[in-house]
Parts: sequence; C-alpha cells; structure tokens
Amino acid sequence: ETGVTQSPTHLIKTRGQQVTLRCSSQSGHNTVSWYQQALGQGPQFIFQYYREEENGRGNFPPRFSGLQFPNYSSELNVNALELDDSALYLCASSLPGASSYEQYFGPGTRLTVT
Amino acid sequence: QQQVKQSPQSLIVQKGGISIINCAYENTAFDYFPWYQQFPGKGPALLIAIRPDVSEKKEGRFTISFNKSAKQFSLHIMDSQPGDSATYFCAAETQGAQKLVFGQGTRLTINP
Repeated sequence: ETGVTQSPTHLIKTRGQQVTLRCSSQSGHNTVSWYQQALGQGPQFIFQYYREEENGRGNFPPRFSGLQFPNYSSELNVNALELDDSALYLCASSLPGASSYEQYFGPGTRLTVT
Repeated sequence: QQQVKQSPQSLIVQKGGISIINCAYENTAFDYFPWYQQFPGKGPALLIAIRPDVSEKKEGRFTISFNKSAKQFSLHIMDSQPGDSATYFCAAETQGAQKLVFGQGTRLTINP
C-alpha cells in the first residue's frame, strides 16, 4: 500500500505565473485536503475535496482552486502567483467518514516564487 | 487569525530529559486536539490525539495533558531521544468543519 504522494517535489515560478501541483491519495482514501505551510509556520487549510466536489475552504482567495478526479487524486492550481505564495504545499487524504485529524499527509511540494 | 497558540518556538533538551510543549486555544467549539510530528522533507504525521472530556492520554513516551477550563493542552515527551528531534505541531479540530487548525510549531532538538 503506497502512501500519499505529491509531485513535483520542488518548483520555482515567477510572480504572475500559474502553477499546478498534484497529489495521489492513499489507497481507499476518498477525501483530499490541501494545506499551505509557510516557512517556520504551521500548515494552513486551503480546501478539501470529497467526491470530486469542494467540501470546505479556508481563508484563501479564489486564485487558489482545485480539482479531484474519479480516482481520488487531486490538483491544486494557483493563478497569478505572488511572492507570498512561496511555501510548502501539503496534500492529505483520509478514509470515508474519518475525522480531519485522521488524515495522512504527503511529503509536500516546495514552491518558490521569485 | 491565530486560533491555536503554541510555545516555545524552539526547545533544546538533553537526552533522557522531559520535553514539554504547550498550546492554548480560543474556540470552545474545538472538540479534538491532535499533535503532529514533522521531520525535514516529510509531511506531518499524527502522534497522539485527545478529546476535551479527557484530562490526560498516554501513548508510550508521549503524554497529552488537557486543561479544559484554562483552554490549554500540552505534549510531554518522556526520556527524550535524539530521534525525537523534529518539529512538533499542536492542532485543533471542530467535528464537521473539514479542517485542522495548527499551531505555529516547535522545533525540538534532543542533544545526545
């Protein structure tokens, strides 16, 4: 059984560009959440996807958007990148009916915006 | 908006000592309080969690103490080992809210 995987591992983008980050959930997990972890800070909830629909959103602007696919994998898209978007982006998946604290995190994608 | 405050920011403990990390929360709707451990290059991993109707929970060398009236909870790591060196996050969850609220993190270093 593989855990949560994310790609790419690292990414460098220029301000104003767009980026897509990918996440493959753990086997059997149908719920995927995305978090932003700025350097030296705790993760902040961006949004959650369940059955291909957004199922809760944190305090992030609309230029942060996502998708979930029938195989439960997910994408995080960020448009019009800003310098403050530089962070580790974490994906977490959980089993049907599980609480948020029972989710499993991937290793993250380190995004640097210059 | 910081709903969970964690301290200290960094902590150095000698091998065999007790590591103590504290958290305070504001939102009384929180109903689950997990702790996560994060190593460099890895995502956070669940360590131990407690509900507010329990004052203490112990799993191996890790203990959570919970003070509902003070809205505070803490993680104690007994007999700390160099392998415990990591960043620790407290968090809080409101059932049905689909999200975790994390503290700022504590970088723990255990000196051999």
